[in-house]
Amino acid sequence: AQSVTQLDSQVPVFEEAPVELRCNYSSSVSVYLFWYVQYPNQGLQLLLKYLSGSTLVKGINGFEAEFNKSQTSFHLRKPSVHISDTAEYFCAVINTGGFKTIFGAGTRLFVKA
Amino acid sequence: EAQVTQNPRYLITVTGKKLTVTCSQNMNHEYMSWYRQDPGLGLRQIYYSMNVEVTDKGDVPEGYKVSRKEKRNFPLILESPSPNQTSLYFCASSLKRKKNTGELFFGEGSRLTVL
Repeated sequence: AQSVTQLDSQVPVFEEAPVELRCNYSSSVSVYLFWYVQYPNQGLQLLLKYLSGSTLVKGINGFEAEFNKSQTSFHLRKPSVHISDTAEYFCAVINTGGFKTIFGAGTRLFVKA
Repeated sequence: EAQVTQNPRYLITVTGKKLTVTCSQNMNHEYMSWYRQDPGLGLRQIYYSMNVEVTDKGDVPEGYKVSRKEKRNFPLILESPSPNQTSLYFCASSLKRKKNTGELFFGEGSRLTVL
């Protein structure tokens, strides 16, 4: 069985500061990894995904994530955040042969002026 | 425009009054799924469907029903809603995979309050 742990439920940060949202997963099989973003009163949308190849993945809005197989982590980073990045971020995994996506509990990012 | 459409977006109802939340996608996706989102719990899968007339339980199916009579539609039915079903509900769809990646496309959500 797979599981996803997002280590921070809330992350407050000042505008233009860097941010890292942490995600660890457990799985006995190969997985694909995703970060989704949920802006207020909206559905989730894909931010970025890791399928294979380069462990550094770039997504939309200047976000990137690094897959670390030995530490089973997929942390999300942005070097300089904007007010508009205030949202909830979900880490998710799916095994490469399956169809069920497992979500973490989410991390609320608050960007302050 | 590719999209997943849910209705209603907001609903307040009373215990025991049957309701249906509709979901429709225009991307010809085989896979569709319902999730509920509760604070601190992330998204939990209620039911999913791999194709027309093929549905199965997710992690929290109690109190819900679904049907998949057409590829584009996947309604969620609460036969006798109870207050513990107060939640934010999302419908999502995806291409059925062998080779694709399983990226999910979400509707905008339906906030349900059961009094």
